[in-house]
Order: sequence, then structure tokens, then C-alpha cells
Amino acid sequence: EDKVVQSPLSLVVHEGDTVTLNCSYEVTNFRSLLWYKQEKKAPTFLFMLTSSGIEKKSGRLSSILDKKELFSILNITATQTGDSAVYLCVGGRGTIKKGAQKLVFGQGTRLTINP
Amino acid sequence: NAGVTQTPKFRVLKTGQSMTLLCAQDMNHEYMYWYRQDPGMGLRLIHYSVGEGTTAKGEVPDGYNVSRLKKQNFLLGLESAAPSQTSVYFCASGQGSYEQYFGPGTRLTVT
Repeated sequence: EDKVVQSPLSLVVHEGDTVTLNCSYEVTNFRSLLWYKQEKKAPTFLFMLTSSGIEKKSGRLSSILDKKELFSILNITATQTGDSAVYLCVGGRGTIKKGAQKLVFGQGTRLTINP
Repeated sequence: NAGVTQTPKFRVLKTGQSMTLLCAQDMNHEYMYWYRQDPGMGLRLIHYSVGEGTTAKGEVPDGYNVSRLKKQNFLLGLESAAPSQTSVYFCASGQGSYEQYFGPGTRLTVT
């Protein structure tokens, strides 16, 4: 059975700290690893990773994938209160059907940044 | 562009009632998806569509039906609501890559 496991499930830090969120996956016919940020409503896309060892960066956020160890991390440096959210790790699973990009979601890490 | 919109935002149903959730996207995406999100669990795929007129079952399809009569709309129906269907429902759309664009969600309570 496909699964994506995130740790920790909850994390509380002070503004300015650096955090690392972890994600391990077992996904059949794995194609990509995605990170989403979910505040109060819809998840919004952060990164998609398809190759091992290549870091993707967007401002203070960065992520890297290890396809050998089936693992990804999301780093956030110099955290701000606006970074408070649930961060979702998602495995992208290819299928034999046309266009059916299925996503396997982790349960999320709830990050709280205190001022 | 509005992106992905969902109607309604909130709904309370009694057991056995029926309802339809509407999802609309204005990005001309081929693929559309319905998920449910429950506490402590990741989003789970209910049904999806790879194009107008097509639908397929996802991970948790029982108790739900869908239709995609127009490319921009994807409807999720509950024929006879049960308390186990209390959840937050998200619609998403995409165009070939694994990046999906999510709607704001519908919070459904079945009493």
C-alpha cells in the first residue's frame, strides 16, 4: 500500500529559527515528490522534485529529494509568523492510464511560528 | 482568473439526505479531482476525471458519484449522506504535471 509519512506531526518554534520537515515515502511507480502549504483553506503548491540530490529553492524555503533512501526534507530558514501552516508532503504516482496523475498525501506537519 | 471555485462553502445535512458539490475551474485544465480531508489523515482521492465526459474511481469512491459534463465543471454527488461522510472536500484541477490547483474546500457535516 502506498504511504507517505511526515515527521514531526507538529512543531512549534520561535520567529527567526530554522526548521526541517521530514518526509519518507513508499509509492508505487513513483514519479515525483511534491510539497504543498496549507493555511486555512486550499493547499498551495511549493515544490515538485523529480531528481535526487538537486535542491530546489524559493526564497527562504528549500527542498531536496533522496530517491535511494525514499526521503525528502523541506527547510525553512529565518522563519516568520506567516510561515505558520500545515505542510503537506505528497508522492506523485504514475499510472498506465492516460493523464491519471495520482497523488498520495502525507498527514501533514503543523508548523507554528511564535513571535 | 478565479482559479478553482467550490460551491457551497459549508453545508449541514441529515443522514439520508442528498446533495451535490460543484467545482468549477477557469484554467482550461483537462484533469479534475475530488478529495476529502479528515483529521489526522492526508487528503484521499474520491474520484477523478481525465477529460470532459470521463470519470474514474479513486481511493475512497463508495457513497459518492461524479459527473463531468463540461470541461470546466466537476460535480460530486452524495445520494444518501452518512455521518462517515462528514469531512472537508477539496476539488483540484491540473494539466498534465503533478502540480494540482486546489479550491477553497467545502465543509460538510452530516448529523
